[in-house]
Amino acid sequence: LAKTTQPISMDSYEGQEVNITCSHNNIATNDYITWYQQFPSQGPRFIIQGYKTKVTNEVASLFIPADRKSSTLSLPRVSLSDTAVYYCLVGRLYNQGGKLIFGQGTELSVKP
Amino acid sequence: NAGVTQTPKFQVLKTGQSMTLQCAQDMNHEYMSWYRQDPGMGLRLIHYSVGAGITDQGEVPNGYNVSRSTTEDFPLRLLSAAPSQTSVYFCASSPRTGGFPRSYEQYFGPGTRLTVT
Repeated sequence: LAKTTQPISMDSYEGQEVNITCSHNNIATNDYITWYQQFPSQGPRFIIQGYKTKVTNEVASLFIPADRKSSTLSLPRVSLSDTAVYYCLVGRLYNQGGKLIFGQGTELSVKP
Repeated sequence: NAGVTQTPKFQVLKTGQSMTLQCAQDMNHEYMSWYRQDPGMGLRLIHYSVGAGITDQGEVPNGYNVSRSTTEDFPLRLLSAAPSQTSVYFCASSPRTGGFPRSYEQYFGPGTRLTVT
């Protein structure tokens, strides 16, 4: 299983763009990259997933370079409500014999 | 849809007691999993299931049993509770998808906070 490495914590201010990078050097060919957000006392919530290049949805963008050994979650114009822990996962689900493992996560603190 | 539901929300056990944490989903998802989260830590996978009748171990399976007799339910059994099992337990489910790209979106329940004294 691909191991992921993220910064333990990051600070930002409201209105700024936040980029959280995840390193996954031993990512396998069939692995996808998925990001989750978790607020205190709640289960994680899916944000975005990608395989290569760039993916964008209404919440975030995910940038994946050609070698796929890292990925960057980009949160545009963060607000106080974006204060949470963000997890990067790399792997496959059951239909390719895989399982998803959470790493330590990045605790993002957004200040006014 | 209720999504993923977990019961109980809170539980206190004495060392050596056994209990079952319940998890149910009404989305007809084939994939279900159990995670534990210790204070200040990420989630660790305990067991998972790829469909009714099929289960497999995750990162930290010792001390836990699971079964999957129906698509909807995936109970987690603590055989003999130990203080080291004090944690918050999350159940998650995910739909089977085909084609490309596949979705790896997991839907998480609200969690069960377990304390073992």
